[in-house]
Amino acid sequence: GQNIDQPTEMTATEGAIVQINCTYQTSGFNGLFWYQQHAGEAPTFLSYNVLDGLEEKGRFSSFLSRSKGYSYLLLKELQMKDSASYLCAVTNTGGFKTIFGAGTRLFVKA
Amino acid sequence: DTEVTQTPKHLVMGMTNKKSLKCEQHMGHRAMYWYKQKAKKPPELMFVYSYEKLSINESVPSRFSPECPNSSLLNLHLHALQPEDSALYLCASSQVGQGSEQFFGPGTRLTVL
Repeated sequence: GQNIDQPTEMTATEGAIVQINCTYQTSGFNGLFWYQQHAGEAPTFLSYNVLDGLEEKGRFSSFLSRSKGYSYLLLKELQMKDSASYLCAVTNTGGFKTIFGAGTRLFVKA
Repeated sequence: DTEVTQTPKHLVMGMTNKKSLKCEQHMGHRAMYWYKQKAKKPPELMFVYSYEKLSINESVPSRFSPECPNSSLLNLHLHALQPEDSALYLCASSQVGQGSEQFFGPGTRLTVL
């Protein structure tokens, strides 16, 4: 079967750093995505990892360990607009079937 | 053009109605997807089309019928829906290949009475 776990909610302060963890168990792993979704809006792409290690993109970084079935999304210099749900998603071999985790709702406070 | 458009934005229908959701993209993507999303839940994959052919059907009830008339358009035909089918229906598109990010449309908010 397939299972993706993320914390339900997190709260952090503006300007701080927050790490959102994701653990997964899937068959035929073909990459892990992070998406951001603001309330009432569509998800937007943040990052993709298929090999172990860290991918950095501006204020956002994502890490993957395939042997541990583990990823995290790191957000630096938090801004109020970063308050959103962050979805960890895993794709299977072939790349079409994407399974989303339940998402982590991040609240950024002043 | 990096946008996926969906129509209508909102739809209210009775259980005996027949309606269609439409999705369009002009990014040259050859993979298109339908997802269903309930409030405070993640998107759930329903269908995937690759090169205009249905490649994945996640055991979706037959009252949902997808159609991909060409490489830019994706439809979802609805018939005899149930109130529990009320949800946000998201369309997405991507390149075909490993690591291709999906671009999502704004969704159609469906209410079944």
